[in-house]
Amino acid sequence: QKEVEQNSGPLSVPEGAIASLNCTYSDRGSQSFFWYRQYSGKSPELIMFIYSNGDKEDGRFTAQLNKASQYVSLLIRDSQPSDSATYLCAVNAPNDYKLSFGAGTTVTVRA
Amino acid sequence: DAGVIQSPRHEVTEMGQEVTLRCKPISGHDYLFWYRQTMMRGLELLIYFNNNVPIDDSGMPEDRFSAKMPNASFSTLKIQPSEPRDSAVYFCASSRLGGGGKNIQYFGAGTRLSVL
Repeated sequence: QKEVEQNSGPLSVPEGAIASLNCTYSDRGSQSFFWYRQYSGKSPELIMFIYSNGDKEDGRFTAQLNKASQYVSLLIRDSQPSDSATYLCAVNAPNDYKLSFGAGTTVTVRA
Repeated sequence: DAGVIQSPRHEVTEMGQEVTLRCKPISGHDYLFWYRQTMMRGLELLIYFNNNVPIDDSGMPEDRFSAKMPNASFSTLKIQPSEPRDSAVYFCASSRLGGGGKNIQYFGAGTRLSVL
């Protein structure tokens, strides 16, 4: 089993819709969770991080964490064509400063 | 802040040649990470340093790969000899340990390596 798994996609949504991205992780002791966005040919850039159970909102982005279910998600509201990218979920185990990345979910927002 | 700086941005070399990739982390960051990204394997951690000391090199694929961090502002990843299967994008990232043990990594633009 991979440490971090994401829904494979690609995910195609119409402009203005909500894009929902899911990620599960295997290490129950994981404490820090990150969402990175990567445009084609570019480097990953951090868009959200979450450490506590529940929801965290930042603009059009909401991260949701459920440690009991070992599940973290990212919602993109009012999706825009500029949101078209690959979204990488990353997990940081306790007392370990390296990140384990999922394979990524590619999102395409249709104008 | 200039961000993480990597050089070169692109490298094309022939099989068997030595390749050296360079990274300058964000000033004040004490962690430095080297990653490799391919379509098949995604983003993989190769090695990371803390205060210039290698902490975990379990991701280094084989002895052909080596990494050094001679000071807080410079690191190299060397491949000798290079092979076509080393073709990938290599990213460097740096971070500074925040409150509560939080560690947010910032990535450089990457080096696209092609080994012919």
